[in-house]
Amino acid sequence: GAVVSQHPSWVICKSGTSVKIECRSLDFQATTMFWYRQFPKQSLMLMATSNEGSKATYEQGVEKDKFLINHASLTLSTLTVTSAHPEDSSFYICSARGRGSDIFQPQHFGDGTRLSIL
Amino acid sequence: AQKITQTQPGMFVQEKEAVTLDCTYDTSDPSYGLFWYKQPSSGEMIFLIYQGSYDQQNATEGRYSLNFQKARKSANLVISASQLGDSAMYFCAMREVYNTDKLIFGTGTRLQVFP
Repeated sequence: GAVVSQHPSWVICKSGTSVKIECRSLDFQATTMFWYRQFPKQSLMLMATSNEGSKATYEQGVEKDKFLINHASLTLSTLTVTSAHPEDSSFYICSARGRGSDIFQPQHFGDGTRLSIL
Repeated sequence: AQKITQTQPGMFVQEKEAVTLDCTYDTSDPSYGLFWYKQPSSGEMIFLIYQGSYDQQNATEGRYSLNFQKARKSANLVISASQLGDSAMYFCAMREVYNTDKLIFGTGTRLQVFP
């Protein structure tokens, strides 16, 4: 089945650091990628949708200058948390959808990244 | 308004018994898909089962079945013969084709299977 790889799995860093998270589709071309954020014991909240070669579309309330998304190729999207602070600590998980995917196809998820800002 | 509602924060079930996890949804889109995902403590999202809005029959995948009642806008997940490894968070999600084309999740239900 389709595989989405997310890296790194864990990040612990100091406040003020910028952190980059990669999301790769390993065996299909991901025309659309989604970035979700999940706080402990809560649901996944969609942050933004990115289409290959175009700017990401951010959900209401998500700071686009804080969470930079790049989807430069059909297999790679990156989320950069700029100048991270403790309140940015969370579980970030990406998801990818292939070309021509319709409602009958499930979105494939990476394994997530646990970000802890000290 | 909540698009996806899961009213059970937590459920307990004994091993080998069946359990139903509730999910109701709200949409005006005639074309939509409903999905169930399992999230173990390690965090990954595991796709379990899918139901399309035009599907006439309830979806089944091994021990998982989806009780789809379109008029009631409910899509409950039934897990038969529960196993200890089924203990996890379970999320119901919906994708509307015309309205948003995004996968939106419910708040989840934590299932605990005990021996």
